[in-house]
Amino acid sequence: DVKVTQSSRYLVKRTGEKVFLECVQDMDHENMFWYRQDPGLGLRLIYFSYDVKMKEKGDIPEGYSVSREKKERFSLILESASTNQTSMYLCASNDGGRTVYFGPGTRLTVT
Amino acid sequence: AQSVAQPEDQVNVAEGNPLTVKCTYSVSGNPYLFWYVQYPNRGLQFLLKYITGDNLVKGSYGFEAEFNKSQTSFHLKKPSALVSDSALYFCAVRDDSSASKIIFGSGTRLSIRP
Repeated sequence: DVKVTQSSRYLVKRTGEKVFLECVQDMDHENMFWYRQDPGLGLRLIYFSYDVKMKEKGDIPEGYSVSREKKERFSLILESASTNQTSMYLCASNDGGRTVYFGPGTRLTVT
Repeated sequence: AQSVAQPEDQVNVAEGNPLTVKCTYSVSGNPYLFWYVQYPNRGLQFLLKYITGDNLVKGSYGFEAEFNKSQTSFHLKKPSALVSDSALYFCAVRDDSSASKIIFGSGTRLSIRP
């Protein structure tokens, strides 16, 4: 079974804090993604990575950065958290154009 | 740029009736199309995909979807709805000319009443 794991299910941070969301996949997938899910807006792509140290901006990259130092790990960084970044964050991976596998999600609250 | 639209926020169907959840897309190349389902407090689960070949694709839990190139649609269907099908459904598209970018729709909440 493909497994995508995320470091936390729930996270509460204060405005201005630096926040790290970690994601690990165990299927040697080339591609990894970070999405945020908000009611009525669906899933919006923040960043994706198609190889180690390679990344591309998605539709809403502002306020976020990413790091992919190893193939299995893709980190999302909020440099200075703001209340409008309160959301559900979903990590995913796939190999080429094939099925995308999702992690369980991290519900982040910024107060 | 690729995009995907799910025109209905909510679909309500009586148990035992057929259901349809609509999806339309826009890509510059050939589309790869997907449907995912999210049950309450659960992650997204893959239902089915269209890459090439037969326009009618069968997936998990008795769902199927029909790829219509002329209408740029990929509607999700099931002949007989179950209460347990109640969930949030997402359509997604990848343009085969893009570097793996996959875009999701806004989601449709499917509610099946007994």
